[in-house]
Amino acid sequence: GAGVSQSPSNKVTEKGKDVELRCDPISGHTALYWYRQSLGQGLEFLIYFQGNSAPDKSGLPSDRFSAERTGGSVSTLTIQRTQQEDSAVYLCASSTIIDYEQYFGPGTRLTVT
Amino acid sequence: ILNVEQSPQSLHVQEGDSTNFTCSFPSSNFYALHWYRWETAKSPEALFVMTLNGDEKKKGRISATLNTKEGYSYLYIKGSQPEDSATYLCAFYNAGNMLTFGGGTRLMVKP
Repeated sequence: GAGVSQSPSNKVTEKGKDVELRCDPISGHTALYWYRQSLGQGLEFLIYFQGNSAPDKSGLPSDRFSAERTGGSVSTLTIQRTQQEDSAVYLCASSTIIDYEQYFGPGTRLTVT
Repeated sequence: ILNVEQSPQSLHVQEGDSTNFTCSFPSSNFYALHWYRWETAKSPEALFVMTLNGDEKKKGRISATLNTKEGYSYLYIKGSQPEDSATYLCAFYNAGNMLTFGGGTRLMVKP
């Protein structure tokens, strides 16, 4: 595709429900990243994939968060038993290789009520 | 946790003014330094990727310098325009391939 796409663009969910966020990177980009920006905060790194592998999961805020990537392309970020503090904009980015400039998607705004 | 700091946090300038802001980062295990421009309601957009000490990069009226030995990078905007209003983010890559973003400098250019 022309750019990184994310879905849904907005998600409102009740506390305790599970949500799944999707990222479609630019075709051919081997590296994929997830970030979030909570209200009034900077960009927080969550996890990155090199191919289908996530070498470092330490950025995930809790064990309710998980991510996977299949076929070296689409990635999903799953948040189980959502809490109000999970409310944020979740951004996905991709790059050709790990240290090159990243291209960001439009983000998913998650609101947990 | 890597300490990447940007200053100032926000900046108001008049159209036509030139301005600059700073990103400081750990000087050890340096791998790369990225600058991004993030307009409200849009996605961050890459400006520069800098890897070598002494690097200078330029894109139009925006330029950046890098000092890896002392751990800082400057971003300069010459002749600011209202459309330059955005948050400018730097991001530091260490040798362990972990990208850490600074808090950003929010620039507002008044016409």
